[in-house]
Amino acid sequence: GESVGLHLPTLSVQEGDNSIINCAYSNSASDYFIWYKQESGKGPQFIIDIRSNMDKRQGQRVTVLLNKTVKHLSLQIAATQPGDSAVYFCAEIVGGSNYKLTFGKGTLLTVNP
Amino acid sequence: DAGITQSPRHKVTETGTPVTLRCHQTENHRYMYWYRQDPGHGLRLIHYSYGVKDTDKGEVSDGYSVSRSKTEDFLLTLESATSSQTSVYFCATAGQGRFIGAEETQYFGPGTRLLVL
Repeated sequence: GESVGLHLPTLSVQEGDNSIINCAYSNSASDYFIWYKQESGKGPQFIIDIRSNMDKRQGQRVTVLLNKTVKHLSLQIAATQPGDSAVYFCAEIVGGSNYKLTFGKGTLLTVNP
Repeated sequence: DAGITQSPRHKVTETGTPVTLRCHQTENHRYMYWYRQDPGHGLRLIHYSYGVKDTDKGEVSDGYSVSRSKTEDFLLTLESATSSQTSVYFCATAGQGRFIGAEETQYFGPGTRLLVL
């Protein structure tokens, strides 16, 4: 079936740099996307979301960009901090699916001091 | 933090025994979900509920059953545990509430680590 995937399984950055985590999706019917952060030993934590009628959404130090033409999603983290080290998942929802999410396998972000 | 708790947090059991995991939420969310998370597979949906006594299968439902007799509780039962069911199990909820995400956003519990010997 169609699924959400991630381009890079690992990403290592220096503290203070900006991080970009990418995600490809294949279901053109998906209308809602979410980024989650999962720290070791914890459950996924909501970071930011975006609907398919938007191209960009900003939160605190995070920005999500959506390119529907190429079915690509990215998460930008500004001034990356050691506390940002975690696995990041993107997920998609198809409307009318009882809000069922399709997840990618995740990208491990490591922030070096 | 989302008001979602899971119990037990850790469990060791033997092959062939039944196991029940509990998810409890205080958000009055309509939707609840059970996932398992394994290395190399990410999060996979086992079962979900779209209302009290309304449940449906996910992609990896074989060997699992669920029940939801009230809004706040969603139970996952392994009818006869096998070693392949060793995993970390997460519960999630979605619905109208006090969080910044949309109604569709799923919020996760802390997880249950299950080891089947």
